[in-house]
Amino acid sequence: DTGVSQNPRHKITKRGQNVTFRCDPISEHNRLYWYRQTLGQGPEFLTYFQNEAQLEKSRLLSDRFSAERPKGSFSTLEIQRTEQGDSAMYLCASRPSAYGQGRGELFFGEGSRLTVL
Amino acid sequence: SQQGEEDPQALSIQEGENATMNCSYKTSINNLQWYRQNSGRGLVHLILIRSNEREKHSGRLRVTLDTSKKSSSLLITASRAADTASYFCATPRSNDYKLSFGAGTTVTVRA
Repeated sequence: DTGVSQNPRHKITKRGQNVTFRCDPISEHNRLYWYRQTLGQGPEFLTYFQNEAQLEKSRLLSDRFSAERPKGSFSTLEIQRTEQGDSAMYLCASRPSAYGQGRGELFFGEGSRLTVL
Repeated sequence: SQQGEEDPQALSIQEGENATMNCSYKTSINNLQWYRQNSGRGLVHLILIRSNEREKHSGRLRVTLDTSKKSSSLLITASRAADTASYFCATPRSNDYKLSFGAGTTVTVRA
């Protein structure tokens, strides 16, 4: 168990370019979440998957954003035509779909920091 | 919109002192969780308290929950420089356990 892995850790891009982030969850976790965090704020929910099914998308996820989890394992988050307002930390988290009594935590990766110039 | 709100926004204490931060939330909950985030890193789960619990301890951490006031507190005793971080409370949505986070309390422990 190597934890949740995110790549790349840092991405600097020019406005208008496309970027893609990858998340590898803990292997037995079938729920995977994407959050966005801007400076000084808490994480804001973007979307989540149960296996390969995308069950919910936040209104924060504009048409320029797309997330996939093709085989129910790793996930990708793509941002097309990036804007300066997309600059943020993109966090991935995972968990089992069912926990025993008294548990419910998410396991987070180290995040992918995006800077749009 | 965020479910929880932490108070204070920032806290600076001397090593060895206790740090207390509070969280208020809006809707009924099944449990409430606290996470820590070191600068530029991901979040780490600290402790979960269920709605039928009033107090829980884990090492130097003490969490209380008052469901009548929709509030929780996190106490870090005998703080260390390594406790310098941002602390977030989070509450799950009841049907699918999606977590909503507050804006966090930034704690600085001075040596």
